This record gives sequence, C-alpha cells and structure tokens, in this order.
Amino acid sequence: AQTVTQSQPEMSVQEAETVTLSCTYDTSENNYYLFWYKQPPSRQMILVIRQEAYKQQNATENRFSVNFQKAAKSFSLKISDSQLGDTAMYFCAFMKLLGGNMLTFGGGTRLMVKP
Amino acid sequence: NAGVTQTPKFRVLKTGQSMTLLCAQDMNHEYMYWYRQDPGMGLRLIHYSVGEGTTAKGEVPDGYNVSRLKKQNFLLGLESAAPSQTSVYFCASRSWGLAGVPAYNEQFFGPGTRLTVL
Repeated sequence: AQTVTQSQPEMSVQEAETVTLSCTYDTSENNYYLFWYKQPPSRQMILVIRQEAYKQQNATENRFSVNFQKAAKSFSLKISDSQLGDTAMYFCAFMKLLGGNMLTFGGGTRLMVKP
Repeated sequence: NAGVTQTPKFRVLKTGQSMTLLCAQDMNHEYMYWYRQDPGMGLRLIHYSVGEGTTAKGEVPDGYNVSRLKKQNFLLGLESAAPSQTSVYFCASRSWGLAGVPAYNEQFFGPGTRLTVL
C-alpha cells in the first residue's frame, strides 16, 4: 500500500513571496503519477499540477512548480509570487497506474497568504 | 457541460437511518470514485468503479455500498448510518485513455456532500 505524508499542517507566506510545501511518499511501484490539489474554502478540489514518475524534468504550471526527487520519494510544491487567492488547503496525492488508478492523499497543508 | 454533480449538497441523518448519495457525470468517463474527507484530513477512497456494472472496494468500504447501473451515475448508500460516518463525501470521475495523455490521469471532482449523523 502507498502512503503519502505532508509534514507541515499549516504554513503562511507574505503576498508576492515564495513558499514551498513538502510531501513525501512511500511505494514499491516504479511507474506512477503524483499530484498537488488545491482545496479553497468552497471545498472544490482543483488540480494544481501533475508529475509523471518516468519524467525526470520537474513539472511547472505558471507560478507553480515541483521538485520531484524519485530516489528520495519526495515531491514538493513551490508557489512563486504568492497571491491572496492561493490561500487554501493543499493536498499531495499519489496514483499508481494499475488497479483502478485511485488516488492516495496526504493529510494536507493549510496555506495562508497574508497581505 | 456540468462536469461532476452530487446530490444532495447537505444532509442530516439520525443514527440508523439510511440514505443514498448520487453522483452524476456528463463527460462519458469510465472510472468513478467515492471518497470521504474527515476534518483536517485528506480524502480516503471508499469504493470505485472501472465501468458500468462493476464496483470495487477502496481503503474504507465498511458501512457503505455502491452501484453503477448506468455509466454516468455512481450511487453511494449508507444502510444504517452511524456518527462515525459524519464526513464530507466527494465523487470523482476519470476518463480511460492512452497513457501519457494528460486526460488519462486527471480525476475531476464534484463539489462534495456534507453529511452529519446525529
């Protein structure tokens, strides 16, 4: 079974600054996907960024980027130029490629962006 | 195109009552999932379906049943509700496609149903 750990329950950052959220996972799989989801107060789950394990290049989506370290089983999210709208819960999630492709989530990090 | 919808949005039950949560998607997705989210925690998989007429257990299936009689609908049933089932329930769906195509691996989530069992 896979496990996903987010060691930072809460974080805060000043508007326009950069923040990094940590995620580690444990798996015996070699091929898998990793995701970061954002959950604002509306509760809607919003996909922020994805990473395929077979790709060495780190994924980027505008102000969001990841640092994927496969050997260390680490998958951190960097948010640059933080905006007030980035305030939300952030969940790291793992998906193996077989057996229904369900997601295994970490416990989440609550991010507060301060003006 | 409504995406993934869930009915109802809120519900309060008494212990021992039964209810069914409905998830509907209009994206012709093959895979559908039910998750629960407890306060301060991530989502945990209850049951899932890889196609019409098929279902399988997830991480926390006890106390729940599901059915997928139509491709676009995935029902989650609680036969005898317990306070431990107080949670927010999310449905998600995903397309089957070619590996490496982004749409292959993204799950689309509904808005959630907040259920309270007294």
